[in-house]
Amino acid sequence: AQKITQTQPGMFVQEKEAVTLDCTYDTSDPSYGLFWYKQPSSGEMIFLIYQGSYDQQNATEGRYSLNFQKARKSANLVISASQLGDSAMYFCAMRPNNAGNMLTFGGGTRLMVKP
Amino acid sequence: SAVISQKPSRDICQRGTSLTIQCQVDSQVTMMFWYRQQPGQSLTLIATANQGSEATYESGFVIDKFPISRPNLTFSTLTVSNMSPEDSSIYLCSVEVRRGPNTEAFFGQGTRLTVV
Repeated sequence: AQKITQTQPGMFVQEKEAVTLDCTYDTSDPSYGLFWYKQPSSGEMIFLIYQGSYDQQNATEGRYSLNFQKARKSANLVISASQLGDSAMYFCAMRPNNAGNMLTFGGGTRLMVKP
Repeated sequence: SAVISQKPSRDICQRGTSLTIQCQVDSQVTMMFWYRQQPGQSLTLIATANQGSEATYESGFVIDKFPISRPNLTFSTLTVSNMSPEDSSIYLCSVEVRRGPNTEAFFGQGTRLTVV
C-alpha cells in the first residue's frame, strides 16, 4: 500500500517570493511516479508536474520545480515568484508504474499568496 | 497530455434523484478512474472503469449507488443514484497516459454536486 503525507495544512507566502510545499511518501514499489496538482476554488484538478522514480534530474515546469529526494522519500514542490493566482489547494499524489494502479493522494496544502 | 471534458461542471439536485456525469477523452485510453472529493477532503477513488468489462469498485463504494458505464475507449459515465446530502462532493474523472516508461494522470474539470 502507498501513503502520501502533506504535513502543511496551510501556507502563506508573500507575492513574488518562493514557497516550498512538503510531500513525503511511503511505498514498497521500486518504480513509481509522483505528481503535483493544483485545485483552485472551481474544483478542477490541474496537473502541474511529474517526477518518475528513476528520473535522474529533478523535474521542472516553468515556475514549478520538484525537489525529489528518493532516499528520504520526499517530493517537495517549489513554486518560485509566487503570484496571487497561485492561491489554491495543492495535492501531492503517487502511483506505482504497474498497470492497474491508482493514484494515492495526500491530504493537501492550502496555499495563500499575500499581496 | 490528454484533454478531458467532463460535464456537467456543477449541479444542484434534489435528494432521492440521480445524476449522470459524463467524461469524454480526446484519445483512446485503457482505464478511466472516478474520484470523489468531499468538502475539505482529499480525493478518494470510487472505481476503475475498463472498456468492455464491469467497473472495479473500491471499498465503501457499490455498483448500485455508483453505476458506471464504459461503452468505448474515449467515454465513461458515473451515475450518483438515490442521492442524499452526504453525496454532495466534487466528482472527478481521470485517465492515464503512458509516456515512455512513465504513466501520467490527468483529470477532468470536475463536477461540483450539491444535494438539497
